[in-house]
Amino acid sequence: GAVVSQHPSWVICKSGTSVKIECRSLDFQATTMFWYRQFPKQSLMLMATSNEGSKATYEQGVEKDKFLINHASLTLSTLTVTSAHPEDSSFYICSASGTGISGELFFGEGSRLTVL
Amino acid sequence: AQTVTQSQPEMSVQEAETVTLSCTYDTSESDYYLFWYKQPPSRQMILVIRQEAYKQQNATENRFSVNFQKAAKSFSLKISDSQLGDAAMYFCASRGIQGAQKLVFGQGTRLTINP
Repeated sequence: GAVVSQHPSWVICKSGTSVKIECRSLDFQATTMFWYRQFPKQSLMLMATSNEGSKATYEQGVEKDKFLINHASLTLSTLTVTSAHPEDSSFYICSASGTGISGELFFGEGSRLTVL
Repeated sequence: AQTVTQSQPEMSVQEAETVTLSCTYDTSESDYYLFWYKQPPSRQMILVIRQEAYKQQNATENRFSVNFQKAAKSFSLKISDSQLGDAAMYFCASRGIQGAQKLVFGQGTRLTINP
């Protein structure tokens, strides 16, 4: 149980285009989802926290208008990288927590974004 | 605020031997969880072990155990009988219990297993 699926697992796009990454909780209701970014050989850096039906809370230094997060249902959150640039190339990971699941966050497989 | 510090960027151990990864943390939360996650080359985050801070007994999961020193804010991971499949990045993390608290990670330790 407690499976989180992330799609796509990798994507290549041209500079200036927008890319959407989906994060789904398959067998539980995710009241809160978290989006992380990971550069090579570095740790996971939290970008934002999203709660179902409300606006996401962004960490300091993360551009809200560039990284649009939507959590419209209890099983789906999306991250849209708008007007992507090569410096946005990274590994993006979502995680989810649900009610009644003590403490643990469940992670998606991650999405590797390459902006040309 | 929470911070997690892993002071060992890299560690190596002989297969079948025991290795300990260090972690210290700081938190203003009165109650919290501590975790060790493993990230193999696939980059999928895998939970290794979890400790509730209000529990004095150290958590164990098969070959993995922790040494939780609450007063010292230390949370080390011991891997016994190391196997080749244990090679990965290991992240220590903390999370407050109240509300939808974020998970804060340490810098990570890359563990190499020598055959």
